[in-house]
Amino acid sequence: AQTVTQSQPEMSVQEAETVTLSCTYDTSESDYYLFWYKQPPSRQMILVIRQEAYKQQNATENRFSVNFQKAAKSFSLKISDSQLGDAAMYFCAYRRNSGYELNFGKGTSLLVTP
Amino acid sequence: DSGVTQTPKHLITATGQRVTLRCSPRSGDLSVYWYQQSLDQGLQFLIHYYNGEERAKGNILERFSAQQFPDLHSELNLSSLELGDSALYFCASSVDEGRWPQHFGDGTRLSIL
Repeated sequence: AQTVTQSQPEMSVQEAETVTLSCTYDTSESDYYLFWYKQPPSRQMILVIRQEAYKQQNATENRFSVNFQKAAKSFSLKISDSQLGDAAMYFCAYRRNSGYELNFGKGTSLLVTP
Repeated sequence: DSGVTQTPKHLITATGQRVTLRCSPRSGDLSVYWYQQSLDQGLQFLIHYYNGEERAKGNILERFSAQQFPDLHSELNLSSLELGDSALYFCASSVDEGRWPQHFGDGTRLSIL
């Protein structure tokens, strides 16, 4: 079974600063997908960014980018120019190419201070 | 707005009862997934349907069942409810079973008294 580990239960960042959230995963598969989802207090699960394992280039979406290290099985999320609206729980998720479900980490609660 | 609609948003009931949670996927999405989010277990996959057929089961209890109808909406039925079933239940949909990401609804908060 695949496991996803988020070792930082809580993180804090000042507005306009940069923060990196960590995620590691365990798999024997070579082809898979990795995701970061954001869950604000409104509880909606919002897709932030996606990375295909076969792509060496790190995915970016505006202020959000990832550092994907396949050999190390690491998938960190970098948020640049943090905004108050970025405050939320962030979940790292894994899905193998031949599978259907997302396997989620326990989440990292991000606090953004003015 | 993800385009995935879940009803009701909040449900309060008692132990032993049965409830039905409903999900309408995004227009054009054929796959529906159900997840349970609880404080102790985190986010767990329950079951997946594709175009009306069950495709995968996760940690779904025998007291729970689901189906996807011809119009592609899905229902999750929870019976003989226990206090531990209190959780946030999410539905997600995607275009197919492949590379497309899953988009989540706002969830149904189930509270068992």
